[in-house]
Amino acid sequence: AQSVAQPEDQVNVAEGNPLTVKCTYSVSGNPYLFWYVQYPNRGLQFLLKYITGDNLVKGSYGFEAEFNKSQTSFHLKKPSALVSDSALYFCAVRAPYQAGTALIFGKGTTLSVSS
Amino acid sequence: DTEVTQTPKHLVMGMTNKKSLKCEQHMGHRAMYWYKQKAKKPPELMFVYSYEKLSINESVPSRFSPECPNSSLLNLHLHALQPEDSALYLCASSPETSGGYNEQFFGPGTRLTVL
Repeated sequence: AQSVAQPEDQVNVAEGNPLTVKCTYSVSGNPYLFWYVQYPNRGLQFLLKYITGDNLVKGSYGFEAEFNKSQTSFHLKKPSALVSDSALYFCAVRAPYQAGTALIFGKGTTLSVSS
Repeated sequence: DTEVTQTPKHLVMGMTNKKSLKCEQHMGHRAMYWYKQKAKKPPELMFVYSYEKLSINESVPSRFSPECPNSSLLNLHLHALQPEDSALYLCASSPETSGGYNEQFFGPGTRLTVL
């Protein structure tokens, strides 16, 4: 069965510092991995995805994520956090060639960036 | 147009009411999804439509009735809901369901309160 784990309920960082939001996954074969962000009372916004190729994926708003197959991880990173990055972040996975399936989401991590 | 729109933004209904949620996209996507999301929790898949046909129903109670009148529109008809059905209802779309590597585009959601 496919699953995604986000081990931290909350991550706190100071503005200007680097941030990491952790995600590990369990899926048969090579996964498709996604990060979404959700601001209060809003829908989810797509940040980036890993399909294949380069393990370092760059996405929207300066975010990037590194796919590590041996550690089955896909951590979200940003070199310098902004207060406006404060939001709820979801990692999601889908096994490849799974027609008609939707995303399997992690429980979410709340990022709080202080000024 | 790279947007998924949802109406209404907010809905308050009694347990005996009948109401409908509407979702629209004009990106030519052939897969559309309904999710239910409780506060600070990940979205839970309810239904998937692929090429205007219902392909997944995640054992959702019959008081929720989806409809896909055409490739751009998705409705969720509500009847005899319970207070525990109060949540944010998210619509999403993606180019296709086969392959699984396409990200989903989410609407802003409808905040539903059942009294």
